[in-house]
Amino acid sequence: GAVVSQHPSWVICKSGTSVKIECRSLDFQATTMFWYRQFPKQSLMLMATSNEGSKATYEQGVEKDKFLINHASLTLSTLTVTSAHPEDSSFYICSALGAEQFFGPGTRLTVL
Amino acid sequence: KQEVTQIPAALSVPEGENLVLNCSFTDSAIYNLQWFRQDPGKGLTSLLLIQSSQREQTSGRLNASLDKSSGRSTLYIAASQPGDSATYLCAVENNFNKFYFGSGTKLNVKP
Repeated sequence: GAVVSQHPSWVICKSGTSVKIECRSLDFQATTMFWYRQFPKQSLMLMATSNEGSKATYEQGVEKDKFLINHASLTLSTLTVTSAHPEDSSFYICSALGAEQFFGPGTRLTVL
Repeated sequence: KQEVTQIPAALSVPEGENLVLNCSFTDSAIYNLQWFRQDPGKGLTSLLLIQSSQREQTSGRLNASLDKSSGRSTLYIAASQPGDSATYLCAVENNFNKFYFGSGTKLNVKP
């Protein structure tokens, strides 16, 4: 099946700093990618839809100024968590829409 | 808004047992339904995908059924093994390719 990668796989940062997470479709082009987050012992919740060449669309309750999404090419979407706080600590998973939707391996963010 | 519920939340069985995991969803206007496995601290492994026009899919010891009109799906695992221990997630995809996940069933298969 198609491969989606995420980088980094885990990151620890200090409160107030910004963190960028990359999502790449390695062997297919994806005009649409999605970002999800998963808090401990909870399920995945859709955060936003990332559209190549246009603005992302955010789910209700997700701050677009805090979670900046850039989908600059057909194989790369980035999620930047700005001014991260401990409550942003979570597991962030992306997916890319090809013939079907393929999920990345996730990025664990810990904010101290 | 689509709500996905999975029952039970946790399940512990001895090795060799057959078991059934349940998933229900509130909006029957789905594009497809997918079952995933998630190991602790890891990403998602796709197990079975059932398109909205299909009733079931099988892969090895796994069989998933879909009753779209009643908003239900089941995942049947035959002859369970300790390596099957993981959290199983049910997710429905709508016509805009958005996934809505259940909270999962944590399975423990005891040797």
